[in-house]
Amino acid sequence: QVQLQESGPGLVKPSETLSLTCTVSGGSISGNYWSWIRQPPGKGLEWIGYIHYSGSTNNNPSLKSRVTISVDTSKNKFSLKLNSVTAADTAVYYCARWLYSSGPHHFDIWGQGTMVTVSS
Amino acid sequence: DIVMTQSPDSLAVSLGERATIDCKSSQSVLYSSNNKNYLAWYQQKPGQPPKVLIYWASTRESGVPDRFSGSGSGTDFTLTISSLQAEDVAVYYCQQYLTTPLTFGGGTTVEIK
Repeated sequence: QVQLQESGPGLVKPSETLSLTCTVSGGSISGNYWSWIRQPPGKGLEWIGYIHYSGSTNNNPSLKSRVTISVDTSKNKFSLKLNSVTAADTAVYYCARWLYSSGPHHFDIWGQGTMVTVSS
Repeated sequence: DIVMTQSPDSLAVSLGERATIDCKSSQSVLYSSNNKNYLAWYQQKPGQPPKVLIYWASTRESGVPDRFSGSGSGTDFTLTISSLQAEDVAVYYCQQYLTTPLTFGGGTTVEIK
């Protein structure tokens, strides 16, 4: 079965760029949509954006133009970059598969999440 | 953006009793072309990622106990746990997937009374 695993630094300095990777195992990244979702400590879930395996993306306008999501189909991975981070970007970051078959569906598979703290 | 509002923020229910969580969307998430409500419910236990329970507002995910049920249409939805078990202690979220940005409700914490 498909599994997702986030990886990346757990500590990022203010104004720098947060970079995370999600590795897809047990299945192909092709043919699917993939998303990043975050959750500040003790708070709710915020959708960051998605990428199709073809490379098309859609990001949450709330994050303005700070987000870049990319995909590497040869390595079965997709990545998140969030620039100009502040303490407000401190959160658990999840990658997830966004089911899309004849239209959008729900998030059916999630990674375990990785905590990223923004602090000097 | 479609704003999802859940109520209550938290509730405490005795074991074996019914728990009901409401979710209201600021716009209808019913797509008239296929008559489907683009609404999912997730369960999140401490230290774990969310897990989908219900999609299309009322379709139970495979493996989810039948004590979990979803209902509603348009802008008003309900998640019901018919007989609360100890393992159901968690935070529950609704989410709309009709349009981007995809949005979640603020969550409802379910505890044992």
